[in-house]
Amino acid sequence: DGGITQSPKYLFRKEGQNVTLSCEQNLNHDAMYWYRQDPGQGLRLIYYSQIVNDFQKGDIAEGYSVSREKKESFPLTVTSAQKNPTAFYLCASSGQFFNQPQHFGDGTRLSIL
Amino acid sequence: DQQVKQNSPSLSVQEGRISILNCDYTNSMFDYFLWYKKYPAEGPTFLISISSIKDKNEDGRFTVFLNKSAKHLSLHIVPSQPGDSAVYFCAASALNTGTASKLTFGTGTRLQVTL
Repeated sequence: DGGITQSPKYLFRKEGQNVTLSCEQNLNHDAMYWYRQDPGQGLRLIYYSQIVNDFQKGDIAEGYSVSREKKESFPLTVTSAQKNPTAFYLCASSGQFFNQPQHFGDGTRLSIL
Repeated sequence: DQQVKQNSPSLSVQEGRISILNCDYTNSMFDYFLWYKKYPAEGPTFLISISSIKDKNEDGRFTVFLNKSAKHLSLHIVPSQPGDSAVYFCAASALNTGTASKLTFGTGTRLQVTL
């Protein structure tokens, strides 16, 4: 089945540690995205990549980093510089044309202890 | 600055009746709009979209209406079913800015369909 896999579903880390969230897609999509959702809020764009080896900051990139070495993979690192990292993180992908909607994974809930 | 607004955090509708979810936007550069449905602890699922060259798009029980002059869109679900109970997000993008797939989301409306 084609889709987007985010792992793990739940992640706990100690304050001050970097943590990397995995996102893999087998939809052959060129573009991939990372969003953050907080309670009562919409999805906010962290980073996006429209092609391998290229990515751009979204609206709330501070304290996060990404890489796009393969078309299928777009890992997100939450660094210790991110002041409020506890949130629900969603990865998405889409084709290269504007009328191709983004498809989402099931998310990773990150909790900082 | 909330460029996409869903002013109703929640909506309750009886099964079989029409559900109307509303969305307003402020950025006149937005020209492509989408609705997503989200269950708890899952990722959003794409429902329906509309381009600014249209004022209506229909897919089964779901219809999206776009009023460009009012910068307003709405999602109609007819008839509503219990399985429609979820959070619905409105999203918008500006195709002519070179970031065709960059979406701005509203804060969501929680729809509850009662028996």
